[in-house]
Amino acid sequence: SQQGEEDPQALSIQEGENATMNCSYKTSINNLQWYRQNSGRGLVHLILIRSNEREKHSGRLRVTLDTSKKSSSLLITASRAADTASYFCATDAWDKIIFGKGTRLHILP
Amino acid sequence: ETGVTQTPRHLVMGMTNKKSLKCEQHLGHNAMYWYKQSAKKPLELMFVYNFKEQTENNSVPSRFSPECPNSSHLFLHLHTLQPEDSALYLCASSQDQGERNEQFFGPGTRLTVL
Repeated sequence: SQQGEEDPQALSIQEGENATMNCSYKTSINNLQWYRQNSGRGLVHLILIRSNEREKHSGRLRVTLDTSKKSSSLLITASRAADTASYFCATDAWDKIIFGKGTRLHILP
Repeated sequence: ETGVTQTPRHLVMGMTNKKSLKCEQHLGHNAMYWYKQSAKKPLELMFVYNFKEQTENNSVPSRFSPECPNSSHLFLHLHTLQPEDSALYLCASSQDQGERNEQFFGPGTRLTVL
């Protein structure tokens, strides 16, 4: 299986701090995507990084990809209360896209 | 609002009932997906339709029957479900399946099987 697995499963940080989540996978991929899900809602696409890219930025988000280690990280800088959600990585290997179990992020006031 | 709507948002049904979940996308996409999200488990892809044709069925029990009458609508027909089928069912769409760029998700239907 090429399932992405996020680490940690849960993370609580103070508002204003940076949050880092990691994703590991098992086989070659075409791209890797990160999604956010607020409680009981659908997933929202955050960022896509292709296999030939190493780093990508979008606002307060920074994603890295290390294909040699088969891992990716999502950094959220200057966290806000609204960032409280679950974050999922999804690995896409041309014929199948597979989501991990997610990291639950809680931003403390 | 992502342009993908799902109805109903909540559904409670008995094991002998027959019900249907509906998904509609207003984005002009050609690929649509059904996912099942259970507590403490990864999001499970159930079915994929590309240009109205089913292209993936990930060993889903026959008590779940999808239907895609056109590229904008996707249904999931349910019959004789089990309590373990209780979950959040998410619909998503993307431009097409060949180039899997971002998927746009609906808000989901929270299904409870009694």
